[in-house]
Amino acid sequence: NAGVTQTPKFRILKIGQSMTLQCTQDMNHNYMYWYRQDPGMGLKLIYYSVGAGITDKGEVPNGYNVSRSTTEDFPLRLELAAPSQTSVYFCASSYSDRGQPQHFGDGTRLSIL
Amino acid sequence: RKEVEQDPGPFNVPEGATVAFNCTYSNSASQSFFWYRQDCRKEPKLLMSVYSSGNEDGRFTAQLNRASQYISLLIRDSKLSDSATYLCVVSYSFKTIFGAGTRLFVKA
Repeated sequence: NAGVTQTPKFRILKIGQSMTLQCTQDMNHNYMYWYRQDPGMGLKLIYYSVGAGITDKGEVPNGYNVSRSTTEDFPLRLELAAPSQTSVYFCASSYSDRGQPQHFGDGTRLSIL
Repeated sequence: RKEVEQDPGPFNVPEGATVAFNCTYSNSASQSFFWYRQDCRKEPKLLMSVYSSGNEDGRFTAQLNRASQYISLLIRDSKLSDSATYLCVVSYSFKTIFGAGTRLFVKA
Protein backbone atom coordinates (compact mmCIF):
# COMPACT_ATOMS: atom_id res chain seq x y z
CA ASN A 1 0.00 0.00 0.00
CA ALA A 2 2.89 2.42 -0.63
CA GLY A 3 1.13 4.51 -3.32
CA VAL A 4 3.17 7.66 -4.02
CA THR A 5 6.35 8.03 -2.00
CA GLN A 6 8.33 11.26 -1.73
CA THR A 7 11.76 11.79 -0.22
CA PRO A 8 13.02 13.67 1.65
CA LYS A 9 10.15 14.90 3.84
CA PHE A 10 12.06 18.01 4.94
CA ARG A 11 15.11 19.81 3.64
CA ILE A 12 16.88 23.11 4.21
CA LEU A 13 19.06 24.41 1.40
CA LYS A 14 21.34 27.38 1.04
CA ILE A 15 20.84 29.80 -1.82
CA GLY A 16 22.54 28.51 -4.95
CA GLN A 17 22.63 24.86 -3.88
CA SER A 18 21.00 22.16 -5.94
CA MET A 19 19.00 19.13 -4.98
CA THR A 20 16.68 16.47 -6.34
CA LEU A 21 13.29 15.68 -4.86
CA GLN A 22 12.46 12.05 -5.36
CA CYS A 23 9.04 10.65 -6.23
CA THR A 24 8.13 7.06 -6.93
CA GLN A 25 4.79 5.32 -7.35
CA ASP A 26 3.95 1.63 -7.34
CA MET A 27 0.48 1.82 -8.91
CA ASN A 28 1.69 1.53 -12.52
CA HIS A 29 0.23 4.95 -13.26
CA ASN A 30 1.14 6.55 -16.56
CA TYR A 31 0.64 10.13 -15.48
CA MET A 32 2.75 11.88 -12.87
CA TYR A 33 2.78 15.48 -11.66
CA TRP A 34 4.78 17.90 -9.54
CA TYR A 35 3.03 20.71 -7.69
CA ARG A 36 4.16 23.36 -5.30
CA GLN A 37 1.99 24.90 -2.62
CA ASP A 38 2.91 28.10 -0.85
CA PRO A 39 1.40 28.86 2.58
CA GLY A 40 -2.31 29.60 2.37
CA MET A 41 -2.33 29.17 -1.40
CA GLY A 42 -3.53 26.61 -3.89
CA LEU A 43 -1.56 24.04 -5.84
CA LYS A 44 0.52 25.17 -8.80
CA LEU A 45 1.59 22.65 -11.44
CA ILE A 46 5.33 22.68 -12.10
CA TYR A 47 5.81 19.78 -14.54
CA TYR A 48 3.94 16.69 -15.57
CA SER A 49 4.59 13.49 -17.48
CA VAL A 50 2.23 11.31 -19.49
CA GLY A 51 4.58 8.35 -19.59
CA ALA A 52 8.20 7.26 -19.48
CA GLY A 53 10.35 9.54 -21.61
CA ILE A 54 7.70 12.26 -21.96
CA THR A 55 7.55 15.40 -19.84
CA ASP A 56 5.97 18.81 -20.25
CA LYS A 57 5.87 22.14 -18.50
CA GLY A 58 3.11 23.20 -16.20
CA GLU A 59 2.19 26.62 -14.89
CA VAL A 60 5.43 27.43 -13.01
CA PRO A 61 8.37 25.47 -14.51
CA ASN A 62 11.12 28.08 -14.21
CA GLY A 63 13.99 27.00 -11.98
CA TYR A 64 13.06 23.31 -12.14
CA ASN A 65 13.81 20.29 -14.29
CA VAL A 66 12.35 16.81 -14.43
CA SER A 67 13.04 13.48 -16.05
CA ARG A 68 10.99 10.31 -16.45
CA SER A 69 13.19 7.38 -17.33
CA THR A 70 10.84 4.79 -15.82
CA THR A 71 7.11 4.55 -15.18
CA GLU A 72 7.70 4.51 -11.44
CA ASP A 73 10.02 7.46 -10.90
CA PHE A 74 9.62 11.17 -11.55
CA PRO A 75 12.38 13.21 -9.85
CA LEU A 76 12.27 17.00 -9.65
CA ARG A 77 15.57 18.88 -9.79
CA LEU A 78 16.32 22.35 -8.46
CA GLU A 79 19.57 23.57 -9.99
CA LEU A 80 20.19 26.92 -8.27
CA ALA A 81 17.99 27.18 -5.23
CA ALA A 82 16.40 30.58 -4.59
CA PRO A 83 14.35 31.81 -1.59
CA SER A 84 11.28 32.01 -3.85
CA GLN A 85 11.40 28.22 -4.13
CA THR A 86 10.67 27.80 -0.44
CA SER A 87 7.47 25.80 -0.53
CA VAL A 88 5.83 22.44 0.00
CA TYR A 89 6.24 20.17 -3.01
CA PHE A 90 3.72 17.46 -3.81
CA CYS A 91 4.12 14.68 -6.31
CA ALA A 92 0.98 12.99 -7.66
CA SER A 93 0.09 10.25 -10.08
CA SER A 94 -2.97 9.07 -11.95
CA TYR A 95 -3.81 6.19 -14.25
CA SER A 96 -4.93 8.60 -16.95
CA ASP A 97 -6.00 12.22 -17.24
CA ARG A 98 -9.61 11.42 -18.08
CA GLY A 99 -11.94 10.70 -15.25
CA GLN A 100 -9.22 9.36 -13.00
CA PRO A 101 -8.31 11.15 -9.77
CA GLN A 102 -4.77 12.02 -8.82
CA HIS A 103 -3.13 10.39 -5.81
CA PHE A 104 -0.66 12.46 -3.83
CA GLY A 105 2.50 11.77 -1.90
CA ASP A 106 2.80 13.32 1.54
CA GLY A 107 5.01 16.15 0.37
CA THR A 108 8.50 17.57 0.74
CA ARG A 109 8.85 20.72 2.84
CA LEU A 110 11.73 22.74 1.41
CA SER A 111 13.25 25.91 2.86
CA ILE A 112 15.85 27.96 1.03
CA LEU A 113 17.89 30.22 3.29
CA ARG B 1 -11.35 34.88 -14.45
CA LYS B 2 -10.01 31.73 -12.81
CA GLU B 3 -10.91 28.43 -14.41
CA VAL B 4 -12.11 27.04 -11.08
CA GLU B 5 -13.37 29.34 -8.36
CA GLN B 6 -14.21 28.64 -4.76
CA ASP B 7 -15.21 30.82 -1.84
CA PRO B 8 -12.08 30.70 0.36
CA GLY B 9 -14.15 30.95 3.55
CA PRO B 10 -13.52 30.26 6.30
CA PHE B 11 -16.82 28.63 7.15
CA ASN B 12 -17.20 28.37 10.91
CA VAL B 13 -19.96 25.97 11.93
CA PRO B 14 -20.95 24.17 15.13
CA GLU B 15 -20.84 20.41 15.42
CA GLY B 16 -23.92 18.81 13.94
CA ALA B 17 -24.55 21.59 11.46
CA THR B 18 -25.10 21.15 7.74
CA VAL B 19 -22.75 23.11 5.50
CA ALA B 20 -22.54 23.45 1.73
CA PHE B 21 -19.79 24.62 -0.59
CA ASN B 22 -20.09 25.61 -4.20
CA CYS B 23 -17.45 25.67 -6.88
CA THR B 24 -17.82 27.23 -10.33
CA TYR B 25 -15.84 26.32 -13.43
CA SER B 26 -15.43 28.23 -16.65
CA ASN B 27 -14.85 25.55 -19.28
CA SER B 28 -18.07 24.00 -20.51
CA ALA B 29 -16.09 21.08 -21.95
CA SER B 30 -15.11 19.93 -18.45
CA GLN B 31 -15.63 16.21 -18.12
CA SER B 32 -14.59 15.01 -14.70
CA PHE B 33 -15.15 16.50 -11.27
CA PHE B 34 -13.84 15.70 -7.82
CA TRP B 35 -13.77 16.96 -4.28
CA TYR B 36 -10.55 16.62 -2.31
CA ARG B 37 -9.87 17.28 1.32
CA GLN B 38 -6.62 18.78 2.58
CA ASP B 39 -5.68 18.94 6.24
CA CYS B 40 -3.25 21.59 7.42
CA ARG B 41 0.27 20.88 6.11
CA LYS B 42 -0.82 17.55 4.62
CA GLU B 43 -1.34 16.25 1.11
CA PRO B 44 -4.71 16.54 -0.67
CA LYS B 45 -6.77 13.37 -0.43
CA LEU B 46 -9.62 12.35 -2.67
CA LEU B 47 -12.94 12.76 -0.88
CA MET B 48 -15.27 11.79 -3.69
CA SER B 49 -15.86 11.94 -7.40
CA VAL B 50 -18.85 13.92 -8.63
CA TYR B 51 -21.22 12.24 -11.04
CA SER B 52 -23.80 13.83 -13.30
CA SER B 53 -26.71 12.40 -11.37
CA GLY B 54 -25.26 13.43 -8.01
CA ASN B 55 -23.84 11.02 -5.49
CA GLU B 56 -23.67 10.44 -1.79
CA ASP B 57 -21.06 8.93 0.50
CA GLY B 58 -22.25 8.79 4.08
CA ARG B 59 -22.66 12.35 5.33
CA PHE B 60 -21.29 13.82 2.11
CA THR B 61 -23.34 14.63 -0.98
CA ALA B 62 -21.91 15.96 -4.22
CA GLN B 63 -23.88 17.44 -7.08
CA LEU B 64 -23.10 18.69 -10.56
CA ASN B 65 -25.00 21.37 -12.44
CA ARG B 66 -23.65 21.45 -15.99
CA ALA B 67 -26.05 24.16 -17.16
CA SER B 68 -24.80 26.61 -14.55
CA GLN B 69 -21.30 25.12 -14.47
CA TYR B 70 -20.94 24.48 -10.79
CA ILE B 71 -20.47 21.58 -8.43
CA SER B 72 -21.46 21.47 -4.81
CA LEU B 73 -20.53 19.57 -1.68
CA LEU B 74 -22.96 19.15 1.20
CA ILE B 75 -21.76 17.93 4.59
CA ARG B 76 -24.43 16.84 7.04
CA ASP B 77 -24.00 16.40 10.79
CA SER B 78 -20.59 18.07 10.80
CA LYS B 79 -17.89 16.54 12.98
CA LEU B 80 -14.85 18.22 14.50
CA SER B 81 -12.77 15.97 12.25
CA ASP B 82 -14.35 17.55 9.17
CA SER B 83 -12.29 20.69 9.79
CA ALA B 84 -10.09 20.98 6.72
CA THR B 85 -9.76 22.72 3.37
CA TYR B 86 -11.96 21.32 0.61
CA LEU B 87 -10.60 21.50 -2.92
CA CYS B 88 -12.76 21.45 -6.01
CA VAL B 89 -11.12 19.73 -9.00
CA VAL B 90 -12.19 19.92 -12.62
CA SER B 91 -10.68 17.96 -15.49
CA TYR B 92 -10.93 18.34 -19.29
CA SER B 93 -8.82 17.66 -22.37
CA PHE B 94 -5.65 16.45 -20.66
CA LYS B 95 -5.85 19.20 -18.07
CA THR B 96 -6.74 19.04 -14.38
CA ILE B 97 -7.43 22.24 -12.47
CA PHE B 98 -7.45 22.45 -8.69
CA GLY B 99 -9.40 25.17 -6.97
CA ALA B 100 -7.69 27.12 -4.22
CA GLY B 101 -9.98 25.56 -1.62
CA THR B 102 -12.62 26.44 0.95
CA ARG B 103 -11.64 26.33 4.61
CA LEU B 104 -14.03 24.75 7.08
CA PHE B 105 -13.79 24.98 10.85
CA VAL B 106 -16.17 22.85 12.89
CA LYS B 107 -16.32 23.89 16.52
CA ALA B 108 -17.63 22.08 19.58
